Amino acid sequence: QKEVEQDPGPLSVPEGAIVSLNCTYSNSAFQYFMWYRQYSRKGPELLMYTYSSGNKEDGRFTAQVDKSSKYISLFIRDSQPSDSATYLCAMSASNTDKLIFGTGTRLQVFP
Amino acid sequence: DGGITQSPKYLFRKEGQNVTLSCEQNLNHDAMYWYRQDPGQGLRLIYYSQIVNDFQKGDIAEGYSVSREKKESFPLTVTSAQKNPTAFYLCASSILAGNYEQYFGPGTRLTVT
Repeated sequence: QKEVEQDPGPLSVPEGAIVSLNCTYSNSAFQYFMWYRQYSRKGPELLMYTYSSGNKEDGRFTAQVDKSSKYISLFIRDSQPSDSATYLCAMSASNTDKLIFGTGTRLQVFP
Repeated sequence: DGGITQSPKYLFRKEGQNVTLSCEQNLNHDAMYWYRQDPGQGLRLIYYSQIVNDFQKGDIAEGYSVSREKKESFPLTVTSAQKNPTAFYLCASSILAGNYEQYFGPGTRLTVT
């Protein structure tokens, strides 16, 4: 079993939809949770990070962590075609540990 | 412009040849990392360096080598001992070692035939 599981998609939604991207994990020691966005043939860029449980909002993006269920989510409101990319979750047990990445979910937002 | 540069964007090599991928950063970050990305797999850590003249193996270091002679530079050599070298290689850096805010370069696509 992988430490971090992520549905590869693709997830195809119409413009304006609310998108939910998710990861599950098995290591209860994970405390730092990140979401990266990666456009095709580009390097990932950090979108959001959260520490421990709870929600964090940044514009159209909301990151949610449920440590009791070992489940994290990224919500995108009012999705745009420019949001079409692969979204990678990543996590670590401490800020001195290496990051463990999910395989990424490919999102397509059509006009 | 501050950031991480990787060159070249695309690289083609014959099997049996060593090849070196360049990674430079002007962010004044202490830590640098090399990852490999393959379809259907998450990013896998090859090597990382917390400080100049020091580096550690990641999860898949076999067949790779690195050096860190300058803070700004962390080149990766893919040797002929690497069994499946064709992949997308990503370099990243962070302010401090292990800091979770890693910034990535644009990547190098290596194809070995």
